[in-house]
Amino acid sequence: QKEVEQNSGPLSVPEGAIASLNCTYSDRGSQSFFWYRQYSGKSPELIMSIYSNGDKEDGRFTAQLSKASQYVSLLIRDSQPSDSATYLCAVNPSRAGNNRKLIWGLGTSLAVNP
Amino acid sequence: DGGITQSPKYLFRKEGQNVTLSCEQNLNHDAMYWYRQDPGQGLRLIYYSQIVNDFQKGDIAEGYSVSREKKESFPLTVTSAQKNPTAFYLCASTPPDRDYEQYFGPGTRLTVT
Repeated sequence: QKEVEQNSGPLSVPEGAIASLNCTYSDRGSQSFFWYRQYSGKSPELIMSIYSNGDKEDGRFTAQLSKASQYVSLLIRDSQPSDSATYLCAVNPSRAGNNRKLIWGLGTSLAVNP
Repeated sequence: DGGITQSPKYLFRKEGQNVTLSCEQNLNHDAMYWYRQDPGQGLRLIYYSQIVNDFQKGDIAEGYSVSREKKESFPLTVTSAQKNPTAFYLCASTPPDRDYEQYFGPGTRLTVT
């Protein structure tokens, strides 16, 4: 079992729809969860971080975390063609201690169609 | 302007040559990281450093070396011992008050032929 799993996609949604991206992780002790957006040929950009169970909203983005289900998701409301990118999920494992390492998923490719 | 810079953006080398990739930050971040990204393989950690003059191997350190002589700088050398050096190399750093949040530079795309 991979430590952080994401559907590779591509996930295709029409413009204006809600895009739902999912991530599961295996380390039950994980405490910090991150979503990064990566445009083709560019470096990853941090868009959301979440540490507690529940929802966290920032503009059109909502991160949802359930530690009991070992599941973190990212919802993008009113999707725009500019949201077309690969979305990476990253988790800090409980064994990380103070070395601040992250475990990365392979990413989900999102295509928003005009 | 504060930020993380990597140079050059594109780098071409002949097989058998060592090459050094630059990573500089003026954000006063303590921790710095080097990753490589290959199509379909996600981000893989090469080396990381929590403080000056200290660094640790990541998951794929063979064929690479680093130094951390200054807080602002964390150069990565890709040696001739690295069997498949062609990749997109990413440098990241973490602010002292935001453990685990990593911020990336623009990356260097290395092609070895």
